[in-house]
Amino acid sequence: GAVVSQHPSRVICKSGTSVKIECRSLDFQATTMFWYRQFPKQSLMLMATSNEGSKATYEQGVEKDKFLINHASLTLSTLTVTSAHPEDSSFYICSASGLAGGPSGELFFGEGSRLTVL
Amino acid sequence: GENVEQHPSTLSVQEGDSAVIKCTYSDSASNYFPWYKQELGKRPQLIIDIRSNVGEKKDQRIAVTLNKTAKHFSLHITETQPEDSAVYFCAATFLSGGSYIPTFGRGTSLIVHP
Repeated sequence: GAVVSQHPSRVICKSGTSVKIECRSLDFQATTMFWYRQFPKQSLMLMATSNEGSKATYEQGVEKDKFLINHASLTLSTLTVTSAHPEDSSFYICSASGLAGGPSGELFFGEGSRLTVL
Repeated sequence: GENVEQHPSTLSVQEGDSAVIKCTYSDSASNYFPWYKQELGKRPQLIIDIRSNVGEKKDQRIAVTLNKTAKHFSLHITETQPEDSAVYFCAATFLSGGSYIPTFGRGTSLIVHP
């Protein structure tokens, strides 16, 4: 199957700093990328949907100024958590769909990034 | 928008038993229904999927059934093994604004006791 790579897998930062997480599709063109947040033992909470070259569509309740999403190319999307606070600590996962999945919408997930804000 | 309900939230079985997880969806436009398995701290992995023009699909010990009329689909795991223990997510996918958007269920934590 297609490969989606997400970095970093773990990051610890101080409160008030910004953290950038990258999501790359390694062997296909990802026309759409999704960013999820997952709390322990809970489901995937969709934060935003991004299409290459356009602004991301954020879900209700997600602060767009705090969670900056950029999808500048068909193989890379980034999520920047600005001025991070302890309540932003979570597991963030990206997923991508595109030509590799065909028109069915099959998703390919990144490995996830565990963010801990001290 | 789409709404996906998944039950049960927790399922505990003995090794060798069968496990069934059920999902319902609300939007008749959804036409692709994948199931993902997620082990602790890892990414969700696609284990089986079904499209709206098919009623049932099987892959070894795993099967999925779809009832379009009733808008529900189910995951069946037979002869469960301890390594099947994980969280399972269903999803209903529909087309919106040119992109296929998945809506996930809340997940089922499957525990298989040796």
